[in-house]
Amino acid sequence: AQTVTQSQPEMSVQEAETVTLSCTYDTSESDYYLFWYKQPPSRQMILVIRQEAYKQQNATENRFSVNFQKAAKSFSLKISDSQLGDAAMYFCAYRSASWVQGAQKLVFGQGTRLTINP
Amino acid sequence: GAVVSQHPSRVICKSGTSVKIECRSLDFQATTMFWYRQFPKQSLMLMATSNEGSKATYEQGVEKDKFLINHASLTLSTLTVTSAHPEDSSFYICSARYRGPSFNPEAFFGQGTRLTVV
Repeated sequence: AQTVTQSQPEMSVQEAETVTLSCTYDTSESDYYLFWYKQPPSRQMILVIRQEAYKQQNATENRFSVNFQKAAKSFSLKISDSQLGDAAMYFCAYRSASWVQGAQKLVFGQGTRLTINP
Repeated sequence: GAVVSQHPSRVICKSGTSVKIECRSLDFQATTMFWYRQFPKQSLMLMATSNEGSKATYEQGVEKDKFLINHASLTLSTLTVTSAHPEDSSFYICSARYRGPSFNPEAFFGQGTRLTVV
């Protein structure tokens, strides 16, 4: 079974600075998807960024980028120019690319609570 | 992006009664929906996978008779907490897997339901 580990329960950063959230995962599969989700106080899950395992290029979405190291099974999220609205719980998640029934479920890490200091 | 609507957002019920939570995909068909439970300051725990027209697949340790899942159409899945007790109080979130003309591995989440059993 796949597992996802976020070793940083809490992180804080000064507004406008850069912060990196860590995520490692364990899988025997070669094809899969990785995601970072944000959960603000409203508790609505919001997709921040996704990465396909077959792509070598790291995904970027505006101020958000990832460092995907497939061999090391590492998938960190970098937030540049941090803003107060970035404060939230961030979850790393894994999804198999297999079409076997039940394989498409998301496996979540424990989460990292990010605080932005003004 | 695709929209998933979850209703109600909050519900308070008396111990021993049942409560139904609905999860609807508003602008796409969802052959598979997922139900999660989230305890305060913790990650999302998958309870069951709901497949349209077939029985739900429950994760280990989840009581099938307590958490009844019905996925009667391509846009609606329901979770019924039967004979609710205070320990069932939690935040429940659904997500839907997109089914459309183009492939999208992303999971789309409802707003969540905060259940309080008194």
